[in-house]
Formats: sequence, C-alpha cells, structure tokens
Amino acid sequence: AQSVSQHNHHVILSEAASLELGCNYSYGGTVNLFWYVQYPGQHLQLLLKYFSGDPLVKGIKGFEAEFIKSKFSFNLRKPSVQWSDTAEYFCAVSSEAAGNKLTFGGGTRVLVKP
Amino acid sequence: DSGVTQTPKHLITATGQRVTLRCSPRSGDLSVYWYQQSLDQGLQFLIQYYNGEERAKGNILERFSAQQFPDLHSELNLSSLELGDSALYFCASSVGTGGEGPYGTEAFFGQGTRLTVV
Repeated sequence: AQSVSQHNHHVILSEAASLELGCNYSYGGTVNLFWYVQYPGQHLQLLLKYFSGDPLVKGIKGFEAEFIKSKFSFNLRKPSVQWSDTAEYFCAVSSEAAGNKLTFGGGTRVLVKP
Repeated sequence: DSGVTQTPKHLITATGQRVTLRCSPRSGDLSVYWYQQSLDQGLQFLIQYYNGEERAKGNILERFSAQQFPDLHSELNLSSLELGDSALYFCASSVGTGGEGPYGTEAFFGQGTRLTVV
C-alpha cells in the first residue's frame, strides 16, 4: 500500500522568507507525485505534479518541487513567500497499480506573517 | 473554478438520518473519487468510480455507499449518521484510469460539502 508522510504539521514564517515542505512516500513501484494547496475555506487546487522526466518540477505561483527517487522524497519549495501563500499544503501520491487514486499526506499548515 | 460541482455546499442533519451528496465531474472525466476531510483523520480516500463501475475502495464505512450514473455524475449516500461523520466531503474527477499511464490521472476537486451532524 502507498503512504505519504509530511514532516511538518505547522510552519510559520515571514513574507519574503524561503519555504521548504518535506514529503516522503512509501511505495515500491512507479508513482505519480502531486502537491495540492487548500486556501482557507476553499477546495484543493493542484500546485504541481511529477510523472516522469526532469525531477525538478515547476508549478504555479512560483512553487517548485524536486523528486529524489533514492530518498523517496518530493519536497516543495518557494524562494520567497507572500502573505497570500497562507494555506494548507498536501503532498499526494498515486500509482496505476492502485487505480490512480490519490493518497494524501497529513498536510502542512503554512502561516505567512505580513 | 475546477469544473467539478458538488451540491449541497452545507448540510446540517440529525444523528440517525440519511443524506445524499451529489457530484458532477468535469466534462469528459470518467473517474470520480470521494474523499472525507476531518480534523482528526485528515484527507481520507473513500471510494472511486470509473465509467459507472466501482474501481477502488478506501476507508469507507458500511453505512456509506456510492454510485456513478450513466451521465457520470456520482452520489455518496451516508446513512445512520453519527456525530463523528461530521466532516468536509470532497469529490474529485479525472479523465480516466484506463491503463494509459499517468496522463489523465490528475484529479480536480470540487468545493466540497460540509456535513454537520447534530
């Protein structure tokens, strides 16, 4: 079975600081990796995804993530955050063997102080 | 707007009752997924349908059931409701899981239905 763990439950930082959120997954086969964001009171939106190819993936709103296969990791980064990045961030994994359903990590709540 | 429509947005009901949540997927999407989001359990996968057939089952209680209709909309039925069923229920859709690889598996989420059981 696939599983995802996110290291930090809560992150507080100031505007213009850099952000890195950790994500590790557990699955022996080929996986697809995703980061979703949930702004307060809203639905989940896709930030970026990795299927294959270049392990450094660029997404929307200046976010990027790096897939490191040897570490089973897919960490999310943003060089300079804004107050509007305050949200909850979810890492997710899917695999064709598991019907391509998404398995989510526990989420990381990010608060950006103005 | 993701293109996935869920109704109702809010639902308040009493324990022991039954409710039906509805989801219309994005145009052209064949797969529908249901998720439950609660403070203590996080985002939990409940069930997936692909083109009318059940494809995968997660942590779905026996009191819960779902179906996908020929027009591809889906309904999640929750019965004998308990206080602990209070949560946000999300529907997501994707193009398909027909074995064509990862492309088409990207899921788009609806706004969710907030269920409060009192």
